[in-house]
Parts: sequence; C-alpha cells; structure tokens
Amino acid sequence: EAEVAQSPRYKITEKSQAVAFWCDPISGHATLYWYRQILGQGPELLVQFQDESVVDDSQLPKDRFSAERLKGVDSTLKIQPAELGDSAMYLCASSFVETQYFGPGTRLLVL
Amino acid sequence: SQQGEEDPQALSIQEGENATMNCSYKTSINNLQWYRQNSGRGLVHLILIRSNEREKHSGRLRVTLDTSKKSSSLLITASRAADTASYFCATDIMQGAQKLVFGQGTRLTINP
Repeated sequence: EAEVAQSPRYKITEKSQAVAFWCDPISGHATLYWYRQILGQGPELLVQFQDESVVDDSQLPKDRFSAERLKGVDSTLKIQPAELGDSAMYLCASSFVETQYFGPGTRLLVL
Repeated sequence: SQQGEEDPQALSIQEGENATMNCSYKTSINNLQWYRQNSGRGLVHLILIRSNEREKHSGRLRVTLDTSKKSSSLLITASRAADTASYFCATDIMQGAQKLVFGQGTRLTINP
C-alpha cells in the first residue's frame, strides 16, 4: 500500500540553526499539507499546496519558515533560524479527494 | 486556531467495553472526519461523515453527526488493547480548497 514518506524521522538541533524536512506524497496526490503538532495537541496546518502552488499558508510563520514543492511532487519545509518553541512533530499529508494520508512525521527537538 | 473540541480529553476503560468520544465545532462544515494516532506516529484516517449524513458505520466504529448542535460522536464497540491511541476529529470547513481543522484529541487507554 502506498504511503507518505518523510525524513528525517528525528532531528535534534540547536537554536539559531537551520533545519529542513522532506516529504514525498502518495503518487498522484495533487494536494500536500504540512502540519505542526505540539505534544498533547492536535495538528495545526502550516501550509497547503495544490500541485506546485501554495493555496494556504496563513498560519506559516513566514519570517522563519519556508516551504516549497517545485515540481508538484515532493516538498521541503525549512526553518531558519530554529527557536526553542519550534520543538514539535512536523507531519506531512497528501490527498486525492477528501481523505488525508499522513506520513510518520519528523520529531524536532530544538536545544 | 482549533475549531473542534473533543470530550473527554482522556478516557480509560476495560477491554471489551465500548468507548464514546465527542466532538463539538463552531462553524459550518462540508464533512467531519475522525483520525487515530498511535503514540509518536502519524495519523490514520478512520471515517468520514458528510454534513447531510446523520450516522455512519465502519466495522466496530459508529459515528454520528448533529449539524444543528454542531457535534459528533465516535463510538468504538468491543474495545481491544490495540485501540489504545489518541483520536482526533477534524472538520472540513467550508472554505474553497479543502482544509481540515483538528481538535485537541481524546487519549483512549484500553486496559487488558
């Protein structure tokens, strides 16, 4: 069964450093999402792509976060510089119609 | 901001018992979805109920939706230890492209 791939699974970094996360959606899924999930809370949408276009990045802290999906397939989420409050699980999901399929996530710890 | 609120925040029951979780939301929706998340993993889609549906079943899962009260419930019957997880409701709000807004989740523990 096709799955959403994410890497790395875990990332430890020091504050002020740059980090990047990668996501490969299920083949054929035009819509790709990046979520941030703080421990004990539900996922919060950071950015949504339709093919290579951003359709919603209203909750993305654009002063330090950036996301791209250049060829409309895989995507990269970057944080520069990382802050202590960025410690969280970063989830990628993709969808064809209504159901979203999630990857295993990247757990980020900023020291 | 999170539109959905789950109740209870945590639930602990014995294996074999039924588990009921509730979700309330604030704005009009296209559909409401329930997801499960095992500790430290990604979310898994369980069931989707559309705004014009009142009840839906999938295996041991039963979901109800009351749009007049802006609430939904998820019932898991004959619970198993493997059902231990966090359960989230997500509302597909009526806003152009599909956008899911997740609640805080219910942490379900099934005791053997």
